[in-house]
Amino acid sequence: DAGVIQSPRHEVTEMGQEVTLRCKPISGHDYLFWYRQTMMRGLELLIYFNNNVPIDDSGMPEDRFSAKMPNASFSTLKIQPSEPRDSAVYFCASSFYGRDKQYFGPGTRLTVT
Amino acid sequence: GESVGLHLPTLSVQEGDNSIINCAYSNSASDYFIWYKQESGKGPQFIIDIRSNMDKRQGQRVTVLLNKTVKHLSLQIAATQPGDSAVYFCAEASAGGTSYGKLTFGQGTILTVHP
Repeated sequence: DAGVIQSPRHEVTEMGQEVTLRCKPISGHDYLFWYRQTMMRGLELLIYFNNNVPIDDSGMPEDRFSAKMPNASFSTLKIQPSEPRDSAVYFCASSFYGRDKQYFGPGTRLTVT
Repeated sequence: GESVGLHLPTLSVQEGDNSIINCAYSNSASDYFIWYKQESGKGPQFIIDIRSNMDKRQGQRVTVLLNKTVKHLSLQIAATQPGDSAVYFCAEASAGGTSYGKLTFGQGTILTVHP
Protein backbone atom coordinates (compact mmCIF):
# COMPACT_ATOMS: atom_id res chain seq x y z
CA ASP A 1 0.00 0.00 0.00
CA ALA A 2 1.29 3.47 -0.86
CA GLY A 3 0.10 4.99 2.39
CA VAL A 4 -1.60 8.36 2.68
CA ILE A 5 -0.67 10.58 -0.25
CA GLN A 6 -0.61 14.36 -0.01
CA SER A 7 0.05 17.00 -2.63
CA PRO A 8 1.75 19.29 -3.05
CA ARG A 9 4.59 18.60 -0.63
CA HIS A 10 5.56 22.25 -0.56
CA GLU A 11 3.51 25.32 -1.38
CA VAL A 12 4.66 28.91 -1.35
CA THR A 13 2.05 31.55 -2.04
CA GLU A 14 1.36 35.19 -1.49
CA MET A 15 -1.08 36.56 1.03
CA GLY A 16 -4.59 36.72 -0.37
CA GLN A 17 -4.19 33.81 -2.75
CA GLU A 18 -6.27 30.66 -2.63
CA VAL A 19 -4.50 27.48 -1.54
CA THR A 20 -5.78 23.95 -2.07
CA LEU A 21 -4.19 20.97 -0.36
CA ARG A 22 -5.01 17.46 -1.49
CA CYS A 23 -5.13 14.08 0.19
CA LYS A 24 -5.67 10.50 -0.88
CA PRO A 25 -6.33 8.23 2.13
CA ILE A 26 -5.36 4.60 2.42
CA SER A 27 -7.81 2.45 0.50
CA GLY A 28 -10.49 1.01 2.76
CA HIS A 29 -10.07 3.57 5.52
CA ASP A 30 -13.38 5.19 6.42
CA TYR A 31 -11.97 8.05 8.49
CA LEU A 32 -9.97 10.99 7.20
CA PHE A 33 -8.38 13.70 9.32
CA TRP A 34 -6.78 17.05 8.58
CA TYR A 35 -4.20 18.36 11.06
CA ARG A 36 -2.04 21.45 11.25
CA GLN A 37 1.37 21.54 12.91
CA THR A 38 3.15 24.70 14.00
CA MET A 39 5.90 25.47 16.46
CA MET A 40 3.54 27.64 18.45
CA ARG A 41 0.58 25.29 18.78
CA GLY A 42 1.92 21.84 18.04
CA LEU A 43 -0.28 19.33 16.23
CA GLU A 44 -3.95 20.33 16.04
CA LEU A 45 -6.93 18.53 14.56
CA LEU A 46 -8.79 20.75 12.11
CA ILE A 47 -11.58 18.50 10.85
CA TYR A 48 -12.37 14.85 10.35
CA PHE A 49 -14.66 12.86 8.09
CA ASN A 50 -16.33 9.49 8.43
CA ASN A 51 -17.59 7.87 5.23
CA ASN A 52 -17.04 11.18 3.41
CA VAL A 53 -19.23 13.11 5.87
CA PRO A 54 -17.69 15.85 8.04
CA ILE A 55 -18.15 14.84 11.68
CA ASP A 56 -16.32 17.50 13.64
CA ASP A 57 -14.99 20.75 12.20
CA SER A 58 -14.58 22.57 15.50
CA GLY A 59 -10.85 22.84 14.93
CA MET A 60 -11.16 24.79 11.71
CA PRO A 61 -9.74 28.19 12.63
CA GLU A 62 -12.13 30.40 10.69
CA ASP A 63 -14.34 30.67 7.65
CA ARG A 64 -11.35 31.07 5.37
CA PHE A 65 -10.77 27.34 5.83
CA SER A 66 -12.96 24.72 4.19
CA ALA A 67 -12.61 21.00 3.60
CA LYS A 68 -14.41 18.59 1.34
CA MET A 69 -14.42 14.89 0.70
CA PRO A 70 -16.29 14.22 -2.54
CA ASN A 71 -15.50 10.51 -2.50
CA ALA A 72 -13.76 7.88 -0.42
CA SER A 73 -10.40 8.37 -2.09
CA PHE A 74 -10.00 12.13 -2.16
CA SER A 75 -10.19 15.13 0.13
CA THR A 76 -9.22 18.78 -0.13
CA LEU A 77 -8.44 21.49 2.38
CA LYS A 78 -8.83 24.98 0.99
CA ILE A 79 -7.72 28.29 2.42
CA GLN A 80 -9.15 31.40 0.83
CA PRO A 81 -7.78 33.99 1.20
CA SER A 82 -4.51 32.79 2.69
CA GLU A 83 -2.65 34.79 5.35
CA PRO A 84 0.94 34.58 6.64
CA ARG A 85 -0.29 33.08 9.94
CA ASP A 86 -1.58 30.09 7.98
CA SER A 87 2.02 29.05 7.35
CA ALA A 88 2.38 25.55 8.81
CA VAL A 89 2.71 21.91 7.91
CA TYR A 90 -0.67 20.40 7.10
CA PHE A 91 -1.09 16.67 7.57
CA CYS A 92 -3.76 14.36 6.35
CA ALA A 93 -4.33 11.07 8.17
CA SER A 94 -6.66 8.15 7.66
CA SER A 95 -7.80 5.21 9.73
CA PHE A 96 -10.12 2.25 9.62
CA TYR A 97 -11.14 2.43 13.26
CA GLY A 98 -11.63 6.15 13.77
CA ARG A 99 -9.35 7.43 16.48
CA ASP A 100 -7.38 4.19 16.53
CA LYS A 101 -4.16 3.86 14.57
CA GLN A 102 -4.35 6.93 12.38
CA TYR A 103 -1.82 6.80 9.57
CA PHE A 104 -0.34 10.13 8.58
CA GLY A 105 0.75 11.37 5.19
CA PRO A 106 4.07 13.16 4.61
CA GLY A 107 2.47 16.59 5.00
CA THR A 108 2.31 19.76 2.95
CA ARG A 109 4.55 22.59 4.07
CA LEU A 110 2.69 25.82 3.36
CA THR A 111 4.42 29.17 3.38
CA VAL A 112 2.34 32.30 2.91
CA THR A 113 4.37 35.45 2.29
CA GLY B 1 10.31 40.02 15.86
CA GLU B 2 11.50 36.93 17.62
CA SER B 3 9.20 33.94 17.24
CA VAL B 4 8.20 32.03 20.31
CA GLY B 5 7.46 28.37 19.98
CA LEU B 6 6.84 25.35 22.14
CA HIS B 7 9.82 24.38 24.29
CA LEU B 8 9.86 20.64 23.91
CA PRO B 9 11.31 18.43 26.61
CA THR B 10 14.48 16.69 25.47
CA LEU B 11 16.03 13.34 26.29
CA SER B 12 19.56 12.39 25.31
CA VAL B 13 20.74 8.80 25.62
CA GLN B 14 23.62 6.64 24.49
CA GLU B 15 23.09 3.98 21.89
CA GLY B 16 22.15 0.74 23.56
CA ASP B 17 20.62 2.35 26.64
CA ASN B 18 16.94 2.10 27.45
CA SER B 19 14.86 5.26 27.01
CA ILE B 20 11.79 6.32 28.93
CA ILE B 21 9.61 9.09 27.58
CA ASN B 22 6.88 10.41 29.83
CA CYS B 23 3.55 12.02 29.15
CA ALA B 24 0.92 13.49 31.46
CA TYR B 25 -2.58 13.57 30.07
CA SER B 26 -5.35 15.86 31.12
CA ASN B 27 -8.71 14.22 30.55
CA SER B 28 -9.76 11.63 33.13
CA ALA B 29 -12.40 10.44 30.63
CA SER B 30 -9.76 9.46 28.06
CA ASP B 31 -9.90 5.76 27.35
CA TYR B 32 -7.47 5.38 24.48
CA PHE B 33 -3.84 6.42 24.24
CA ILE B 34 -1.33 6.25 21.44
CA TRP B 35 2.33 7.04 20.83
CA TYR B 36 3.68 8.46 17.60
CA LYS B 37 7.23 9.02 16.36
CA GLN B 38 7.97 11.92 14.06
CA GLU B 39 11.25 12.19 12.20
CA SER B 40 12.37 15.45 10.69
CA GLY B 41 10.41 16.30 7.56
CA LYS B 42 8.02 13.39 7.90
CA GLY B 43 4.54 12.75 9.21
CA PRO B 44 3.92 11.13 12.60
CA GLN B 45 4.34 7.37 12.54
CA PHE B 46 2.26 5.05 14.74
CA ILE B 47 4.30 3.18 17.37
CA ILE B 48 1.95 1.59 19.88
CA ASP B 49 -1.41 2.14 21.51
CA ILE B 50 -3.16 1.13 24.72
CA ARG B 51 -6.70 1.20 26.04
CA SER B 52 -7.65 2.26 29.52
CA ASN B 53 -8.59 -1.28 30.56
CA MET B 54 -4.90 -2.16 30.38
CA ASP B 55 -1.89 -0.83 32.27
CA LYS B 56 0.86 -2.25 30.10
CA ARG B 57 1.32 -3.24 26.50
CA GLN B 58 4.44 -4.45 24.72
CA GLY B 59 5.54 -4.21 21.13
CA GLN B 60 8.83 -4.77 19.39
CA ARG B 61 11.43 -3.04 21.60
CA VAL B 62 8.73 -0.73 22.97
CA THR B 63 6.50 -0.87 26.03
CA VAL B 64 3.74 1.53 26.98
CA LEU B 65 2.71 1.90 30.61
CA LEU B 66 -0.50 3.57 31.71
CA ASN B 67 -1.16 4.86 35.21
CA LYS B 68 -4.73 6.13 35.31
CA THR B 69 -4.52 7.12 38.97
CA VAL B 70 -2.06 9.89 38.22
CA LYS B 71 -2.98 10.28 34.53
CA HIS B 72 0.48 9.34 33.34
CA LEU B 73 1.66 7.50 30.27
CA SER B 74 5.18 6.37 29.44
CA LEU B 75 6.95 4.89 26.46
CA GLN B 76 9.94 2.67 27.08
CA ILE B 77 12.33 1.93 24.24
CA ALA B 78 14.75 -0.92 24.79
CA ALA B 79 18.28 -0.87 23.38
CA THR B 80 17.83 2.57 21.84
CA GLN B 81 19.36 3.02 18.40
CA PRO B 82 20.40 6.16 16.48
CA GLY B 83 17.41 5.57 14.20
CA ASP B 84 15.14 6.12 17.19
CA SER B 85 16.13 9.80 17.28
CA ALA B 86 12.94 11.75 16.65
CA VAL B 87 10.15 13.68 18.34
CA TYR B 88 7.76 11.41 20.25
CA PHE B 89 4.14 12.40 20.79
CA CYS B 90 1.57 10.91 23.08
CA ALA B 91 -2.09 11.39 22.23
CA GLU B 92 -5.31 10.71 24.10
CA ALA B 93 -8.91 10.22 23.08
CA SER B 94 -12.23 9.77 24.82
CA ALA B 95 -15.23 7.82 23.64
CA GLY B 96 -18.59 9.12 22.67
CA GLY B 97 -20.32 11.52 20.36
CA THR B 98 -18.44 13.63 17.90
CA SER B 99 -15.31 13.33 20.02
CA TYR B 100 -14.90 9.70 19.04
CA GLY B 101 -12.49 10.35 16.23
CA LYS B 102 -10.50 13.05 17.99
CA LEU B 103 -6.96 12.56 19.19
CA THR B 104 -5.51 15.29 21.37
CA PHE B 105 -1.74 15.40 21.01
CA GLY B 106 0.82 16.32 23.63
CA GLN B 107 3.58 18.78 22.86
CA GLY B 108 6.17 16.09 22.15
CA THR B 109 9.57 15.04 23.48
CA ILE B 110 12.78 15.22 21.48
CA LEU B 111 14.83 12.03 21.76
CA THR B 112 18.46 12.18 20.68
CA VAL B 113 20.50 8.99 20.59
CA HIS B 114 24.27 9.35 20.57
CA PRO B 115 26.37 6.61 18.95
